[in-house]
Amino acid sequence: GAVVSQHPSWVICKSGTSVKIECRSLDFQATTMFWYRQFPKQSLMLMATSNEGSKATYEQGVEKDKFLINHASLTLSTLTVTSAHPEDSSFYICSARDRVAGGLNEQFFGPGTRLTVL
Amino acid sequence: SQQGEEDPQALSIQEGENATMNCSYKTSINNLQWYRQNSGRGLVHLILIRSNEREKHSGRLRVTLDTSKKSSSLLITASRAADTASYFCAWGNNRLAFGKGNQVVVIP
Repeated sequence: GAVVSQHPSWVICKSGTSVKIECRSLDFQATTMFWYRQFPKQSLMLMATSNEGSKATYEQGVEKDKFLINHASLTLSTLTVTSAHPEDSSFYICSARDRVAGGLNEQFFGPGTRLTVL
Repeated sequence: SQQGEEDPQALSIQEGENATMNCSYKTSINNLQWYRQNSGRGLVHLILIRSNEREKHSGRLRVTLDTSKKSSSLLITASRAADTASYFCAWGNNRLAFGKGNQVVVIP
């Protein structure tokens, strides 16, 4: 149980285009999902918290108009990188917290999406 | 959220040896978690230790937590080549903050 999927697993796009990444919780409902970015040999940096049915909460320094997040259902959150540039190339990872997890903040992570912007 | 520090950040050991890595954090916590990440993959949850626990075991993993020093350690006993990965500690009541990570290489 507690499986989170991401699609696509990797994507290459041209500079200036937009890319959508999907994050799905497969066997549980997640009112909250999180989006992280990870540069090579570095740790995960939280970009935003995605709340089902409401606006996402972005971390300081993350442009909400560039990284559009939609959490339209209890099992799906999407991250759209708009007008992508080479510096947006990174590994994007989502996580989801089980709605019935209680007080523990155990998050289940997706396998990540490798974005390369040419 | 603030990142913590792990020391050492890179570790190379022979198969069968123990691997120990540390994590420091700066905020008060309710619990602390350790994750493993294989190269180019997502994170796998290893173990969670609550703030009122000092030590916890899970298979070959042993985690300690010292809230007075705001530090935690992860010990992997009898390491295997398959343990080669990066290991991260993380903390947070809602949003997780991650430490810098330890890259562990287990040589067969």
